[in-house]
Amino acid sequence: ELKVEQNPLFLSMQEGKNYTIYCNYSTTSDRLYWYRQDPGKSLESLFVLLSNGAVKQEGRLMASLDTKARLSTLHITAAVHDLSATYFCAVDIWNTGKLIFGQGTTLQVKP
Amino acid sequence: EAQVTQNPRYLITVTGKKLTVTCSQNMNHEYMSWYRQDPGLGLRQIYYSMNVEVTDKGDVPEGYKVSRKEKRNFPLILESPSPNQTSLYFCASSLLEAGGDEQFFGPGTRLTVL
Repeated sequence: ELKVEQNPLFLSMQEGKNYTIYCNYSTTSDRLYWYRQDPGKSLESLFVLLSNGAVKQEGRLMASLDTKARLSTLHITAAVHDLSATYFCAVDIWNTGKLIFGQGTTLQVKP
Repeated sequence: EAQVTQNPRYLITVTGKKLTVTCSQNMNHEYMSWYRQDPGLGLRQIYYSMNVEVTDKGDVPEGYKVSRKEKRNFPLILESPSPNQTSLYFCASSLLEAGGDEQFFGPGTRLTVL
C-alpha cells in the first residue's frame, strides 16, 4: 500500500526553539512537495524538491529530500508564532502527477 | 492576478441531485488536479489532468467525473451526490516544467450533501 506518513502529527513548541517534521513515504519518487495550510484557508506551496539531496530554504524553514531513505524533513529554526499552521508533505507517485499526501502536522508555536 | 478560482464556494444540496463545481486558472498551466479534504483523512486526490483531453484517476475517483476540454478549466462533476461526498474540495494547477512545479490552490468549495 502506498503510504506517506508524517510525524509528529501535532507539535507544540515555544518561540525560539528548533524542531523537525519528518515525512516518510513507501514508494519510488523523487518529487516531493511541502505545503502550509492556515485554519480555514487554502493550501500554500512552500517547497518543491525534485531530486535526491535537494535542499531548499525560505526564512526559518528548510526542507530536504533523501530519495534513497524515502524521507523528507522540514526543519524549523527559531520558531515564531506566525509559523503556527498545518504542514503537509505530498509525494508524486512514480513522477506521474498522482499525489499522495501525508496526514499533516499541526504546529502550534507559543509566544 | 494569477489565480485559481472555484465556484461555488459553498453548496448545500440533496442526495442524487447532479452538480458541477467549476475550476478555472489564468496561468496557462498544463497540470490541474482536484482534492478533497476530510477531518482525520487529510487531503486525497480525486482526479488530475496533465493537459487538455488527458485525465487520470487519483486516489479516490469513485462517484466523480471530470473533463478537460480547455486548458484553463477543469470542472468536477458529481452525477449523483451522496452524503459521503460531503467534504471540502480544492482545485489546484501547476506548470509541468521540469516534471514538477509548485501547485497553486483555489480557495476551496465546501460541499454538504443531505
